[in-house]
Formats: sequence, structure tokens, C-alpha cells
Amino acid sequence: GAGVSQSPRYKVAKRGQDVALRCDPISGHVSLFWYQQALGQGPEFLTYFQNEAQLDKSGLPSDRFFAERPEGSVSTLKIQRTQQEDSAVYLCASRRLAGTDTQYFGPGTRLTVL
Amino acid sequence: KQEVTQIPAALSVPEGENLVLNCSFTDSAIYNLQWFRQDPGKGLTSLLLIQSSQREQTSGRLNASLDKSSGRSTLYIAASQPGDSATYLCAVITGSARQLTFGSGTQLTVLP
Repeated sequence: GAGVSQSPRYKVAKRGQDVALRCDPISGHVSLFWYQQALGQGPEFLTYFQNEAQLDKSGLPSDRFFAERPEGSVSTLKIQRTQQEDSAVYLCASRRLAGTDTQYFGPGTRLTVL
Repeated sequence: KQEVTQIPAALSVPEGENLVLNCSFTDSAIYNLQWFRQDPGKGLTSLLLIQSSQREQTSGRLNASLDKSSGRSTLYIAASQPGDSATYLCAVITGSARQLTFGSGTQLTVLP
């Protein structure tokens, strides 16, 4: 079956622009995560959705970052007024339930802010 | 705050060697521990998931162990192959969201 997909795969933005990154989770998966991976580092947790509810946004680095999942399926991560330090790979993962089973990752969106 | 450390950061071995990757974590209050593989430009692929009550998991040439009380895990790869070349990430599952906290990874190169 289809895995987690993300679009676009690559995004180049000028400093100060707004960007929107899309995640299509595996159909029927309850849980959805966003992670940020800087070059040479492991991914870091940004935010968590259970269905349409954003239950944890403790990892969002600033109020310029906003995520939504209005219908409990597709999610969008929006970054306003991008800065150079926002350059990273943004990974989305989904999990079938709300427990501790495996998270399935998408290929990521590589964001470069010039 | 949970911190995960992986040693070594990079490793290069000739084909056929057995090797061990190390992972340590600071807070033993974890649900599970998971090992992932990441290939350049691609997402993460789950290799093994060890429940907190388990001591080890095996899949093919891979064996992962967990010592929760000492905050350590190892990933053993037997008879390494060039196709094993990738970055290996260790992650613990913690928190109310059961999110993953990752180490920085070990970049493995297996030379033919």
C-alpha cells in the first residue's frame, strides 16, 4: 500500500517568505508527527496530532511555525517569515494508533532559505 | 530532558566484518527503543523496535539489545555488506505523545 508522502520534496525560499509543507499520511493512521532534521543531526520532534487534534506542539521552535490537520488526514506545516536557521529537512511520520507502535516516515521536504 | 548519544559518529569497515553500533540515553523511563536506517535523500526505515520489557530483537543479520536500567542499546550487524552503508539512528519513545527522541546517528560505510 501507499506510504507516507510529502510535497514538495525540495523548497527554496528567500528569507522572509512564507512556506507551506504538505504531508499525506498512511490512510487510516490516527497519529501524525512532524520532525525537523538539521544537517548531520538526528530528527527533532516538532508537533503531534491525534486525528485532527494537535495534542503536543512543544517542539515548535517559534511562533512562526504553525501546523494543522483539519480533517484528521492531510497535514500542513507552515513557516512564516522564514529565516536561514529554518533550513533543514522536515519529516512527517504517521502511526496507526495512539500508542507505541512503529512510526512510518515520509521522504521529507528539504527546505533551503537563502 | 532525554538525551540520546550514539557512538561512533562514523565507521568504515571492509565487507564481511561484524560490527556493533552503540546508543545511550539519559532517562530510563522509556516506552520502547527503535533503530532506524536513513539513506541519503530518503526517509527513515524502521529496522527493529524493542519493547521496554524486552532485552533484544533480531531480524535477519541484525540484532539489537536493550539494557534499560543502564540506558544502553547496541545494534549488531553480522557479515556486513556494501548495501548496509547508510546512517543508523537510535531513538527512544517517550512523552505524552509517545514521540521519538533521536541520537545524531552513526554513518556506516562498508567497503567492497
